[in-house]
Amino acid sequence: DAGITQSPRYKITETGRQVTLMCHQTWSHSYMFWYRQDLGHGLRLIYYSAAADITDKGEVPDGYVVSRSKTENFPLTLESATRSQTSVYFCASGQGGRELFFGEGSRLTVL
Amino acid sequence: AQSVTQLDSQVPVFEEAPVELRCNYSSSVSVYLFWYVQYPNQGLQLLLKYLSGSTLVKGINGFEAEFNKSQTSFHLRKPSVHISDTAEYFCAVSDQGYGGSQGNLIFGKGTKLSVKP
Repeated sequence: DAGITQSPRYKITETGRQVTLMCHQTWSHSYMFWYRQDLGHGLRLIYYSAAADITDKGEVPDGYVVSRSKTENFPLTLESATRSQTSVYFCASGQGGRELFFGEGSRLTVL
Repeated sequence: AQSVTQLDSQVPVFEEAPVELRCNYSSSVSVYLFWYVQYPNQGLQLLLKYLSGSTLVKGINGFEAEFNKSQTSFHLRKPSVHISDTAEYFCAVSDQGYGGSQGNLIFGKGTKLSVKP
């Protein structure tokens, strides 16, 4: 089915562990984004990608790593998870300046 | 730099009453404007968008918004709300220029609409 999918939807991990959140879109959109959503902060941009092999930092990139070897995939890795990274993570895709299409979110809890 | 301010963090209304969710933005360039809705434990869904043309934009679920350039506002309205409209609503802006983060949207912090019977 066409769309944008995130996995896992729910994840519990421990401090210091590496975690990867996956994002896959079937529209061949050029742009992909990772946001985190926290109470009182709304949506904050972590990283974005304008095309395969082109990524750049957003507002809150510390502690996160991304890659984009294929247009359709944009994984987000927490190299050493911290409690402050407990959040809901949203992946989105779009075509340059217009609307974004969001995944269902990945709820991450770091103990 | 662009910014978006949603003036109310929570809006309680009774079913079948009208509602207005307020959004103001700041930008030095021409913008595209969006409203998204988020139901519990779901992602954001596009309600409506303003790209150009008519300043009154109609969206899904009976919502509409009016772009006011002089007041830099993009308020969302619905003449009669239903229980099912209970959700969080986000206003967002994107500039029409080119830049390192072209394609990104800047979001407001959201307004929680609570519709009571």
